[in-house]
Formats: sequence, C-alpha cells, structure tokens
Amino acid sequence: KAGVTQTPRYLIKTRGQQVTLSCSPISGHRSVSWYQQTPGQGLQFLFEYFSETQRNKGNFPGRFSGRQFSNSRSEMNVSTLELGDSALYLCASSLVAGQETQYFGPGTRLLVL
Amino acid sequence: GQQLNQSPQSMFIQEGEDVSMNCTSSSIFNTWLWYKQDPGEGPVLLIALYKAGELTSNGRLTAQFGITRKDSFLNISASIPSDVGIYFCAGSSTSGTYKYIFGTGTRLKVLA
Repeated sequence: KAGVTQTPRYLIKTRGQQVTLSCSPISGHRSVSWYQQTPGQGLQFLFEYFSETQRNKGNFPGRFSGRQFSNSRSEMNVSTLELGDSALYLCASSLVAGQETQYFGPGTRLLVL
Repeated sequence: GQQLNQSPQSMFIQEGEDVSMNCTSSSIFNTWLWYKQDPGEGPVLLIALYKAGELTSNGRLTAQFGITRKDSFLNISASIPSDVGIYFCAGSSTSGTYKYIFGTGTRLKVLA
C-alpha cells in the first residue's frame, strides 16, 4: 500500500506570495492533518480534515487555510508569506479523525526569501 | 506553541548500548505515539500505546504508557548505527480538540 505523498517536496517563494501544498493520504484513510515543523517551535498542529470538513484547528493565523476533497486528498494554502513561514510542512493521514494513529508523509520544505 | 517535555535532548552512545528516553506532560493523555525522523524526511511511526501501563515492543524498541497517563518511555536495546535520528513522542487526549501534541525530540547519535 502506498504511503502518504506530498507535493512539491521543495519550494522557494518570496515574501508576500502565496503557496499551495498538496497531500494524498494512504488509500482508505479519510483523515488528514497538517503540521508545521521548525527548529525553534518543533512540530506544531495546523489543522485536521475529515470527510471534507475541518475538525480541528491549531493556533495559526488566518493566512493558513486548508481544504479536503471528496477523494480525501488535501491542500493547504498560505497567503501573504512571511519569512517566519519557512518550515517543513508535514501531512499525516489516519483512517478516521480523533484517536487513530497517524502516518506522516515526507513533507514539503518551504523557504521564504 | 505547545510541546511535551522530552529528555534527554540529545545523546551520544556506543553501538551495542541500550538507550532510554522519556516524555512527560502536565496533561493526561489516552494515546501515546513514538516516532523517528531522519533528516529531511517525515516522522515514521514506531510504536503506538493506547492504555495506561501498556508495554509494547517493536523489534529492539520497547515503549511504555505511564500509569499516571502523563508520561511515556522508549527504550532501544543493542543500538546500531542506523538508530541515529530524532525521536519524538506525541500525546493525544479526548479533551479539547483531539490534536496531537509533540515532544521536543531526542537526538540520538550512535558511535560505531
């Protein structure tokens, strides 16, 4: 069974631009969570989607948004990029939302110049 | 952001030695997960724990769900060079928003 895939793997943007990242969960998994990982803050939860609905949201500004499609694929968008948005963005999938174990993708490394 | 206390922060060990690390929280959790992350990659799930007191093994790895539900431990026996990486714990509770909170990570370096 294929794992979680994320595209693109690497991205360079400039301040003020926007970016869209994509995540395809493991086949049959319906829940997708997004995390931001930085050396200073570690792994921080962004949001979780299940059945095309956002179930939970972390403490990030409204510039960070996401959505999930009927095939469970998910995208996250960051508008008006700031230098501090440079990070590894990780997607994790699980069968259902809540207590199920999560399986991570390889991440998208975003560099904002 | 919120993080769990994980110790030690980093450790150098000799190949063949056993390794122990732990994770503590001020909150009660009902799920504990342990992950390993290699540079530039996403975390890989090692062990999942669902019940207080539970002891679960995965090869040379053994993890325990603390009976207070506020801590968890990971042991690696007979370490080998490929054990190098960063180990993260993650906890989740049914109160609040079900999101997982991650530990600060333990960086393991194995000397051959």
